[in-house]
Amino acid sequence: KNEVEQSPQNLTAQEGEFITINCSYSVGISALHWLQQHPGGGIVSLFMLSSGKKKHGRLIATINIQEKHSSLHITASHPRDSAVYICAVQVHNNNDMRFGAGTRLTVKP
Amino acid sequence: GAGVSQSPSNKVTEKGKDVELRCDPISGHTALYWYRQSLGQGLEFLIYFQGNSAPDKSGLPSDRFSAERTGGSVSTLTIQRTQQEDSAVYLCASSPALRTGGSEAFFGQGTRLTVV
Repeated sequence: KNEVEQSPQNLTAQEGEFITINCSYSVGISALHWLQQHPGGGIVSLFMLSSGKKKHGRLIATINIQEKHSSLHITASHPRDSAVYICAVQVHNNNDMRFGAGTRLTVKP
Repeated sequence: GAGVSQSPSNKVTEKGKDVELRCDPISGHTALYWYRQSLGQGLEFLIYFQGNSAPDKSGLPSDRFSAERTGGSVSTLTIQRTQQEDSAVYLCASSPALRTGGSEAFFGQGTRLTVV
């Protein structure tokens, strides 16, 4: 079983829809990252969370440490949001990182 | 520059040849990671350096893979006797010193390796 599980693997939405991507992990962590990878491969860090909730524009990330679960929400989705979204955890005490398999999001106009 | 820099951006090599991939982390970042991403696959952890500690090599897929980090800065990933299954994008990331609550990770643009 992978240490970091993401769902869904693929997601297709219509422009304007509210989107949720989920991440569950099984190891003790010091932080969780949500990353965005566009076609062409560049990776951008969206959020780093160790508790609670963060918001940046139309993106919201939440984490529940007790349940070992995090969600990434996109409000009013747009075709430019189409990308692969990756959940990554920093393993507690050693900063090592483990990745989910990613969620491929396609937003249609 | 201000970001993580990797070179070359693309590398085509013949099967059996050795290759070296370079990563320049952000100045002052003590943690450096190497990952690879095969076509259509997720990120795969390879190796992790943290300061002067012994690196975590648990992700290296075979003894043909090795990495070093000189002076706590630049890192080189070496693949000996390359095989076609080594073809992937090799990504480097760095982050500041370990602290409570984790550390932001910054990624390079990757080196696309093609073994023919």
